[in-house]
Amino acid sequence: GAGVSQSPRYKVAKRGQDVALRCDPISGHVSLFWYQQALGQGPEFLTYFQNEAQLDKSGLPSDRFFAERPEGSVSTLKIQRTQQEDSAVYLCASSWTSGGAYEQYFGPGTRLTVT
Amino acid sequence: GIQVEQSPPDLILQEGANSTLRCNFSDSVNNLQWFHQNPWGQLINLFYIPSGTKQNGRLSATTVATERYSLLYISSSQTTDSGVYFCAVVRQGGSEKLVFGKGTKLTVNP
Repeated sequence: GAGVSQSPRYKVAKRGQDVALRCDPISGHVSLFWYQQALGQGPEFLTYFQNEAQLDKSGLPSDRFFAERPEGSVSTLKIQRTQQEDSAVYLCASSWTSGGAYEQYFGPGTRLTVT
Repeated sequence: GIQVEQSPPDLILQEGANSTLRCNFSDSVNNLQWFHQNPWGQLINLFYIPSGTKQNGRLSATTVATERYSLLYISSSQTTDSGVYFCAVVRQGGSEKLVFGKGTKLTVNP
């Protein structure tokens, strides 16, 4: 597609529910990143894929967070047993290749509210 | 990890004014990007500028990598320039993640 797309755009979950957030990167982009943005803050890194390989998951806040990219394109971020502190905007970004020195392009984000 | 500091945190301008936003970083980088986050939350790419100077219309940016800072210039500001401006970097030799500053919130009044 023309840009990075994410779905759903908004998600309301009751505390304890599981959620799944989807990211479609720019076609052909090798690298895919997930970031979390709390209200009034800058985005913070969660995890990174190069094709289907998850190369860095150091930013995942707990073992309730899990991400996958099984075929090297679409990625899903899953949050189990959601807590109120998980409320944030989840942003996905992609870049055409790996190495860090390439521009990252962001999707519109999924706003998660846990009640 | 690498530290990214942006200044000023808040900026209020009248339409037509010029402004300079600053980003300081604490280590060598191989990626530096400036973003504008609009009121709907979308991060819009302004510049990919790990070094040197670029211009795009009323906006220009300069990164002096040896002194570890970058500047974003906005000239003849418009109300549509309002929003939060983020600087983000990838540390050279580290993970490929972008590390963001806390942003500069710009308000342009008519």
